[in-house]
Amino acid sequence: EVQLVQSGAEVKKPGESLKISCKGSGYSFTSYWIGWVRQMPGKGLEWMGIIYPGDSDTRYSPSFQGQVTISADKSISTAYLQWSSLKASDTAMYYCARPPVGSPGYFQHWGQGTLVTVSS
Amino acid sequence: DIVMTQSPDSLAVSLGERATINCKSSQSVLYSSNNKNYLAWYQQKPGQPPKLLIYWASTRESGVPDRFSGSGSGTDFTLTISSLQAEDVAVYYCQQYYSTPPETYTFGQGTKLEIK
Repeated sequence: EVQLVQSGAEVKKPGESLKISCKGSGYSFTSYWIGWVRQMPGKGLEWMGIIYPGDSDTRYSPSFQGQVTISADKSISTAYLQWSSLKASDTAMYYCARPPVGSPGYFQHWGQGTLVTVSS
Repeated sequence: DIVMTQSPDSLAVSLGERATINCKSSQSVLYSSNNKNYLAWYQQKPGQPPKLLIYWASTRESGVPDRFSGSGSGTDFTLTISSLQAEDVAVYYCQQYYSTPPETYTFGQGTKLEIK
């Protein structure tokens, strides 16, 4: 069974750094893209970016390029989303999600979400 | 970027009745070389992550009830629930995955479906 298990909720102050994680299991981690989706409170879904852990090919939405960093550690089947300096506007639920094999397209499997709250 | 626009923003339908949600893309998401529409539909219930319902515009994901169907091509798409059940109350999103680099596989703004 494919599972994506995300790290727990975080409460941070503006300017702090943060790295959240998404651990994949039940499939070959290096053979599938894995992406990140933001959902701000009461709002819709926003596609942030995606990484192919097999070769670390990473693609960002222009809206998120330079604002976050997506990475993966294939030795522990884990993808990451990180910020160097959080803003209050980064407060949101963040989901990792995995497309089917061979495509960075639609998301077939989703993590449970990580709630990030940024407040002074 | 390809902009996805759903209509209506919210919808109230009686149990057992048909629900129809529309999604329009700002440019075609039909790839001519394989004649596939790069369009997916998701369902999100409160407090849950989204769930994939439909991909390639009309292919139902495994385990999704057959009352859910997708149709359309090019720029205009529809998600239809043939006979609304109470458990279908959710927000529904379309997503295009056609964009070539820079990839921005944009979602529609969502349609909230409620029981009338």
